[in-house]
Amino acid sequence: DQQVKQNSPSLSVQEGRISILNCDYTNSMFDYFLWYKKYPAEGPTFLISISSIKDKNEDGRFTVFLNKSAKHLSLHIVPSQPGDSAVYFCAASVAGTASKLTFGTGTRLQVTL
Amino acid sequence: SAVISQKPSRDICQRGTSLTIQCQVDSQVTMMFWYRQQPGQSLTLIATANQGSEATYESGFVIDKFPISRPNLTFSTLTVSNMSPEDSSIYLCSVRVTDTQYFGPGTRLTVL
Repeated sequence: DQQVKQNSPSLSVQEGRISILNCDYTNSMFDYFLWYKKYPAEGPTFLISISSIKDKNEDGRFTVFLNKSAKHLSLHIVPSQPGDSAVYFCAASVAGTASKLTFGTGTRLQVTL
Repeated sequence: SAVISQKPSRDICQRGTSLTIQCQVDSQVTMMFWYRQQPGQSLTLIATANQGSEATYESGFVIDKFPISRPNLTFSTLTVSNMSPEDSSIYLCSVRVTDTQYFGPGTRLTVL
């Protein structure tokens, strides 16, 4: 039972454009969400998080939007850069803490020149 | 944040043997976690390792197969016991610092 889903296994975006990565969850107990970026042969790198008490969080080029009623979150990267090419994972946890993360299946982003 | 190192970075092992993976953090942390990423799959939590107490295992993972030690606040080990080819995965440790988990670089294990 995949409680966190990323339905797009891959995404290709031109440099300078917006990248939008989507994530859906089924467990209504999830109330804290994180996005990670992963390069091959490296561990996941934390990008940005959001609590369920918010619907938007911004950090530089990265913005995460949360729609609790739809159980959906998205990561926007603007502008996209070639160095953003990686696999992106969303993760969710309960009790408002970054413990016992449940990860999505990942989306491979390719930023082209 | 936290800087995490893991040893070994990769290994190739024979079935039936065991491998111990080490995780070292550059600061004292209460909560450490061990994850597995099987080929083409997402990350799955194996267990939570707190210093001074037994590790807490997730459904589908047992202590006999994945014994964990947590001797102090900066170090943990995960042993993959009696390995089979199905154990071929990337094993990652992570730590929780405030409201974020930070990950080590991972250990890529291949079991023949």
